[in-house]
Amino acid sequence: RKEVEQDPGPFNVPEGATVAFNCTYSNSASQSFFWYRQDCRKEPKLLMSVYSSGNEDGRFTAQLNRASQYISLLIRDSKLSDSATYLCVVNSPSGTYKYIFGTGTRLKVLA
Amino acid sequence: EAGVAQSPRYKIIEKRQSVAFWCNPISGHATLYWYQQILGQGPKLLIQFQNNGVVDDSQLPKDRFSAERLKGVDSTLKIQPAKLEDSAVYLCASSLAGGPADTQYFGPGTRLTVL
Repeated sequence: RKEVEQDPGPFNVPEGATVAFNCTYSNSASQSFFWYRQDCRKEPKLLMSVYSSGNEDGRFTAQLNRASQYISLLIRDSKLSDSATYLCVVNSPSGTYKYIFGTGTRLKVLA
Repeated sequence: EAGVAQSPRYKIIEKRQSVAFWCNPISGHATLYWYQQILGQGPKLLIQFQNNGVVDDSQLPKDRFSAERLKGVDSTLKIQPAKLEDSAVYLCASSLAGGPADTQYFGPGTRLTVL
């Protein structure tokens, strides 16, 4: 089983739609969780950290479920500019604590 | 504030040749990471430095890859000899202190093609 798993997609959604991605992680001792965004042929950039209580940043909401070992990202009112790959990142004890990236979920927002 | 700098941006070599990549992290960032990102996959950590010491190099293929950060600032990653499967984007990232909640800032990457 992979340490961090994501549905690779692509998720094709119309503008204005709400879309949600999940990411599961295997190590219950994982400490911190993030969503990064990666545009085509660009470097990853932090979208948001994920806190136990859940957190929101504009149209984006992230949640953590430690019991079921998954994190989620909800995007409301999708824009064309949201088209990108969304990488789930978990800081997990694998030897030392390290950042482990999922394969990413591709999102295409269609006009 | 200047971001993470990497060079070269692109490199094409033949298998069995050697290649080196350079990274200059954000000023004041103690932790520097090298990642390998193969097409269609997420970045995979190769090595993590805290200042000039190695924190984790468990996934670095040490028979062919080497990395150094001699003065605790910039870093080089070398591959010698390169194999076809080394074709990937090599991303350098830095963070302030390397704590589990730190934000990592990535450079633009070096796209390596091995023929």
